[in-house]
Amino acid sequence: DSGVTQTPKHLITATGQRVTLRCSPRSGDLSVYWYQQSLDQGLQFLIQYYNGEERAKGNILERFSAQQFPDLHSELNLSSLELGDSALYFCASSVGEQQRYGYTFGSGTRLTVV
Amino acid sequence: KNEVEQSPQNLTAQEGEFITINCSYSVGISALHWLQQHPGGGIVSLFMLSSGKKKHGRLIATINIQEKHSSLHITASHPRDSAVYICAVTQGAQKLVFGQGTRLTINP
Repeated sequence: DSGVTQTPKHLITATGQRVTLRCSPRSGDLSVYWYQQSLDQGLQFLIQYYNGEERAKGNILERFSAQQFPDLHSELNLSSLELGDSALYFCASSVGEQQRYGYTFGSGTRLTVV
Repeated sequence: KNEVEQSPQNLTAQEGEFITINCSYSVGISALHWLQQHPGGGIVSLFMLSSGKKKHGRLIATINIQEKHSSLHITASHPRDSAVYICAVTQGAQKLVFGQGTRLTINP
């Protein structure tokens, strides 16, 4: 157990639907990062939150949004789902704002859009 | 062209062999990372390095900043080393940028 908890582990949903993925960071970590891993694109950074505030944005679609709550857990919301959104979604957490000083990945949520 | 390139994409070897996975990058970096992803999907950070060499058990990671190249070596490989190995870089305070990964299979 890495200490970073992601739920659910698996999610199957239909096109056009909306889902919410949840991430609880390791105790003491203030930053949460979201990543998407698809077969054709590999791992890509989506967005980072630090202590409740958005810090960096990557290749995140407008249909996707995220937030970090006062208890530091984070949610990634995916709406108007398309087949191409099927992927593994990982979150990672770190103590500070930068991953170059250390981070921990969660085990991921596998999203299948049918 | 990707900012981070790995080779080979796939590697199959026999148990006991010495394994080398290469990573080249085209941008200035603050750190280079080697990650391991097992078939179940979970990702584990193996090394973070900005210069020289690091060793952990049978794993060794080296980096040449001038040549913008890093290698991950596995000595006395074992079937449990079978996984996808991913190279990633951070530029300053920026997020991780990943290579496409190397799928390693070690046969008994």
